[in-house]
Amino acid sequence: GENVEQHPSTLSVQEGDSAVIKCTYSDSASNYFPWYKQELGKRPQLIIDIRSNVGEKKDQRIAVTLNKTAKHFSLHITETQPEDSAVYFCAASMMDSSYKLIFGSGTRLLVRP
Amino acid sequence: DGGITQSPKYLFRKEGQNVTLSCEQNLNHDAMYWYRQDPGQGLRLIYYSQIVNDFQKGDIAEGYSVSREKKESFPLTVTSAQKNPTAFYLCASSIEGRVNTEAFFGQGTRLTVV
Repeated sequence: GENVEQHPSTLSVQEGDSAVIKCTYSDSASNYFPWYKQELGKRPQLIIDIRSNVGEKKDQRIAVTLNKTAKHFSLHITETQPEDSAVYFCAASMMDSSYKLIFGSGTRLLVRP
Repeated sequence: DGGITQSPKYLFRKEGQNVTLSCEQNLNHDAMYWYRQDPGQGLRLIYYSQIVNDFQKGDIAEGYSVSREKKESFPLTVTSAQKNPTAFYLCASSIEGRVNTEAFFGQGTRLTVV
């Protein structure tokens, strides 16, 4: 079945620096890759997603890149702010009839003021 | 916040008891999901339903049961057969279960076995 590995498990950066979180997936047929942010005590919320027909997508300070050949995708956060501190999850879609998402194990990002 | 509601927020269960977690959505979404979140393990799929009156096992269905009698509701029962039920449970929904779209999550229920 599909497996998604996410690294690092924890990441600490200085405010204003960039943060990069990387994920690899096993099912070469996967074509949908969302990223969720979960603040402490709150629900996960989608922050950006990418489909396999594009290699990069940006939304203000957040970008996601996808390398289908290598089967990995990354989240890039520039000019980090303390409110970016949260747990971030990547996910990849199953391409059987379920369309279910397989999540990575999460990255705890701490932005130091 | 709104759209998908889980209750209760905290739940305590004695060993050997069944307990049911509620999940209701007013987003008119076809698909609903239950995930379990443990520290350092991300979100693992318990059960999912792509349409009313139909549901499928996820990756860790043993010891759990669900029903989908109404489009708006997808309750999860944690049975006494679940050996390690203490966890944070998240319910989610998406517009349609047969295409890849955004999943909207509830606030979660933290279940503790005492």
